[in-house]
Amino acid sequence: GESVGLHLPTLSVQEGDNSIINCAYSNSASDYFIWYKQESGKGPQFIIDIRSNMDKRQGQRVTVLLNKTVKHLSLQIAATQPGDSAVYFCAENTAGNEKLTFGTGTRLTIIP
Amino acid sequence: DAGVTQSPTHLIKTRGQQVTLRCSPKSGHDTVSWYQQALGQGPQFIFQYYEEEERQRGNFPDRFSGHQFPNYSSELNVNALLLGDSALYLCASSGRWGTEAFFGQGTRLTVV
Repeated sequence: GESVGLHLPTLSVQEGDNSIINCAYSNSASDYFIWYKQESGKGPQFIIDIRSNMDKRQGQRVTVLLNKTVKHLSLQIAATQPGDSAVYFCAENTAGNEKLTFGTGTRLTIIP
Repeated sequence: DAGVTQSPTHLIKTRGQQVTLRCSPKSGHDTVSWYQQALGQGPQFIFQYYEEEERQRGNFPDRFSGHQFPNYSSELNVNALLLGDSALYLCASSGRWGTEAFFGQGTRLTVV
């Protein structure tokens, strides 16, 4: 895609398998986290969010895990489908700070 | 609900020129943020507008300026364009802090 990808970490998963995408953050004061999916030529699409007072949150086929001790966030996608192929970004936010800080992104490719 | 809409979708400008990009937020949202996404990178925060005022600014030069109108729509202006300003410019709208930010499809700016 023209908007993302030349040197992104990549992950290839067989269709139907589960995938896990990881994200490390550096700001221990961050208290709101979001996962976005970005397809080629499109803007980021909200997937799921989690606040720092939680360590797990589930959505439809997706689960986000938050480990504040090691400042690590993960996105689990169950039963992956071809439409899950995209670049995935984690983003963080701190109370009183309006901006979202995005991670590097991971390109997920689903193999049919 | 039309979601966040941006115009134009693509734009080619010559170095030194000025450009104006436009954004209409999602219905019910009063806060608009602008991000720049270079190829292969995550979005970088430019600034945020709320109640027609710039509420927070990222690390971008004064050549980048904006405006928010009473109907919450927003413009991003970039003066004296440089080749390095070529990027995907994203608009995101949100309600109160800690709620999800929705992104538009972006404007692809190419400076030649």
